[in-house]
Amino acid sequence: KQEVTQIPAALSVPEGENLVLNCSFTDSAIYNLQWFRQDPGKGLTSLLLIQSSQREQTSGRLNASLDKSSGRSTLYIAASQPGDSATYLCAAPRGSGGSNYKLTFGKGTLLTVNP
Amino acid sequence: EPEVTQTPSHQVTQMGQEVILRCVPISNHLYFYWYRQILGQKVEFLVSFYNNEISEKSEIFDDQFSVERPDGSNFTLKIRSTKLEDSAMYFCASSDPRLQETQYFGPGTRLLVL
Repeated sequence: KQEVTQIPAALSVPEGENLVLNCSFTDSAIYNLQWFRQDPGKGLTSLLLIQSSQREQTSGRLNASLDKSSGRSTLYIAASQPGDSATYLCAAPRGSGGSNYKLTFGKGTLLTVNP
Repeated sequence: EPEVTQTPSHQVTQMGQEVILRCVPISNHLYFYWYRQILGQKVEFLVSFYNNEISEKSEIFDDQFSVERPDGSNFTLKIRSTKLEDSAMYFCASSDPRLQETQYFGPGTRLLVL
């Protein structure tokens, strides 16, 4: 059974700072890992999907890395802005022996970027 | 850009009533999902649907739940007899595994059972 953990649970930074959000997963036999953003009371916006064959994926100021052997992924946000304030969720599909399409989510990191 | 849509955005119902949550997935996608998020908790998988049948379901998805793709565009989740503990945000998602398997989520339906 896949378990996903995210640390820290909450993070508050001043505007302009670079930051790293961490995600760990227990079953490393995954094909990909997805990062989402969730604004309060809203849906999930897909930010990045990293295939298991990739080590990094970049979109604008966001960079996600994946290390399957250690069961870890990080989301790096450069030059943070107040508009980046949201909850960031990491989701991994089930690994060995199961569907690639059922996502298991972490509880998220609540990011606050202060102007 | 294509997106997943869901209706209604909010639904209030009495315990024991039936509710139907509706979703329109992205048009060329082949896999459809329902997830839910109880307030303050993790997003949880409920069910996946492919080729007009359930491909996987969680232990949450008991006999009170059913899914249907009644036509070529809609995907519905029915809860037959709602319980207080069904109160949650319900998310529909879709994906095209021929591409990168990214799951695209709708904005959610907030269900409140009184």
